[in-house]
Amino acid sequence: KQEVTQIPAALSVPEGENLVLNCSFTDSAIYNLQWFRQDPGKGLTSLLLIQSSQREQTSGRLNASLDKSSGRSTLYIAASQPGDSATYLCAVSNAGKSTFGDGTTLTVKP
Amino acid sequence: GAVVSQHPSRVICKSGTSVKIECRSLDFQATTMFWYRQFPKKSLMLMATSNEGSKATYEQGVEKDKFLINHASLTLSTLTVTSAHPEDSSFYICSARDSSKLAGGQNIQYFGAGTRLSVL
Repeated sequence: KQEVTQIPAALSVPEGENLVLNCSFTDSAIYNLQWFRQDPGKGLTSLLLIQSSQREQTSGRLNASLDKSSGRSTLYIAASQPGDSATYLCAVSNAGKSTFGDGTTLTVKP
Repeated sequence: GAVVSQHPSRVICKSGTSVKIECRSLDFQATTMFWYRQFPKKSLMLMATSNEGSKATYEQGVEKDKFLINHASLTLSTLTVTSAHPEDSSFYICSARDSSKLAGGQNIQYFGAGTRLSVL
């Protein structure tokens, strides 16, 4: 059974800092891994999707890496802004299902 | 990009009533759709896998008779919460897998924006 863990559960940083969110998974036989953003009371916004054959994906200030063999992914956010405050979820897809981590709640202070 | 529309975005209902949530893939066909539930301050838990033209596959602990799933076409799946009670209040999210990309080895799910159900 796939298990996904996200560390830390919460993170508070001053504006402008670069930061890293971590995601680990127990079953490395995945199709892909996605990072999502969820604002309070809102749905999911897909940020980045990394296929199992890829090592990283970049979009603007976001960079996600994938090390399938070690069961880890990181989401790097450069020059954080207050608007980045949200909960970030990672989800791994294998055997037709997606398994989500519990998320990291990020607060970026002005 | 691929879009999944989920409707309604929010619903408030009285205890004992049934609520239907729709999940549509707008610009692609989806033989498989997924329904998730999110409890407050918790992650998303897969409830069931919905396959077009066949019965849904429910995860352990999910009541089939409580959460009715219908996937009658390649672009629409519905989740009906029957005889809703306050403990059914939650955030429900669907996702759809692009069938055309499976042949290319891609297993990509596109997520709806979610439906917040409040049962009074």
